Amino acid sequence: GEDVEQSLFLSVREGDSSVINCTYTDSSSTYLYWYKQEPGAGLQLLTYIFSNMDMKQDQRLTVLLNKKDKHLSLRIADTQTGDSAIYFCAEWDYGQNFVFGPGTRLSVLP
Amino acid sequence: ETGVTQSPTHLIKTRGQQVTLRCSSQSGHNTVSWYQQALGQGPQFIFQYYREEENGRGNFPPRFSGLQFPNYSSELNVNALELDDSALYLCASSLHREYNEQFFGPGTRLTVL
Repeated sequence: GEDVEQSLFLSVREGDSSVINCTYTDSSSTYLYWYKQEPGAGLQLLTYIFSNMDMKQDQRLTVLLNKKDKHLSLRIADTQTGDSAIYFCAEWDYGQNFVFGPGTRLSVLP
Repeated sequence: ETGVTQSPTHLIKTRGQQVTLRCSSQSGHNTVSWYQQALGQGPQFIFQYYREEENGRGNFPPRFSGLQFPNYSSELNVNALELDDSALYLCASSLHREYNEQFFGPGTRLTVL
């Protein structure tokens, strides 16, 4: 079945770049997503990438997709304390349900 | 434009009871998905409703059931509650079942004692 894996924890210093990694198994995934969840809140869509793209940049966020290795990463430039949250990678194919990873808890140290 | 809303925010039930959670989808969205997020885990897909009919189901037992109404709002019902049902229940709506963006509500925190 489909599976999405992520490292569970990442700690960075304020001002540094954060890189959160994700691997997935479903080669038919059409879109891959990054969601952010702050304590006690629902999921906020940060960005997504279509499977025929290699890279997408949106302000401080850069998404890289290596389709051959089924590897997705999210880079956050100039990480701030407000970026502390749990980040979920998810995959989706047309008409199917979204499959989420376990989440990476990002801690930003002052 | 109103986002996805869920009620109640928090709920405490005892084992064996039944619970109903509610979700109002974003305006114009005809598809609603429900997820269970246990503590420290990612959301797990329960089921999806499209135009009032179930359109896919995850690996959850039949005591998890749902409804979608003509205004596209939705309910999640759980019968015979078990301790492991304690979780954050998230509702997400999308414009159409084949539309690639879904928008999440804040969730309902269910505690089963």
